[in-house]
Amino acid sequence: NAGVMQNPRHLVRRRGQEARLRCSPMKGHSHVYWYRQLPEEGLKFMVYLQKENIIDESGMPKERFSAEFPKEGPSILRIQQVVRGDSAAYFCASSRGTGREKLFFGSGTQLSVL
Amino acid sequence: QQQVKQSPQSLIVQKGGIPIINCAYENTAFDYFPWYQQFPGKGPALLIAIRPDVSEKKEGRFTISFNKSAKQFSLHIMDSQPGDSATYFCAASKGNQFYFGTGTSLTVIP
Repeated sequence: NAGVMQNPRHLVRRRGQEARLRCSPMKGHSHVYWYRQLPEEGLKFMVYLQKENIIDESGMPKERFSAEFPKEGPSILRIQQVVRGDSAAYFCASSRGTGREKLFFGSGTQLSVL
Repeated sequence: QQQVKQSPQSLIVQKGGIPIINCAYENTAFDYFPWYQQFPGKGPALLIAIRPDVSEKKEGRFTISFNKSAKQFSLHIMDSQPGDSATYFCAASKGNQFYFGTGTSLTVIP
């Protein structure tokens, strides 16, 4: 039973390029969360999605960031025109979405912006 | 606004010691309080969790103490080992909304 799968593990982009981070939830899970973690800092909530719906995007920067969780395929966190400050570890987590949930995390994508 | 406040930020103990990490929350609607353990380069992993209808939960060397009236909960690690050195996050949730503390970096010295 595979856990939450994130890829790539490491992503290097130059300033101004686009970054696409992918997350496949655990089998049977229909809810996906994205978190950002900076060195020496905690987990910052970004967005919470169900299949084809964004439930809560209160943690997403207003510009350049977007997320989707299509009916088929993984959830995608997209960062357009990346800047150095976007360098961080991005973690995806998933749950069944039935309430009083256990949240399971992937191993993260380390984004480095040169 | 930080929904869950965690302390200390870092902690160093000798092997065999009992590190204690504390968390406090405000929202009485929270009904699930998990702790996560994160090693460098890895994602957080669920360690132990408690519901507000019990005051204590033990799993192996890990114990959560929960004080509903004070809106506080803590993680105790008995007989700590160097392999326990990691960052620990507390969290509180209601339904599908999760709020994490800022993390505690634990170092267990051999």
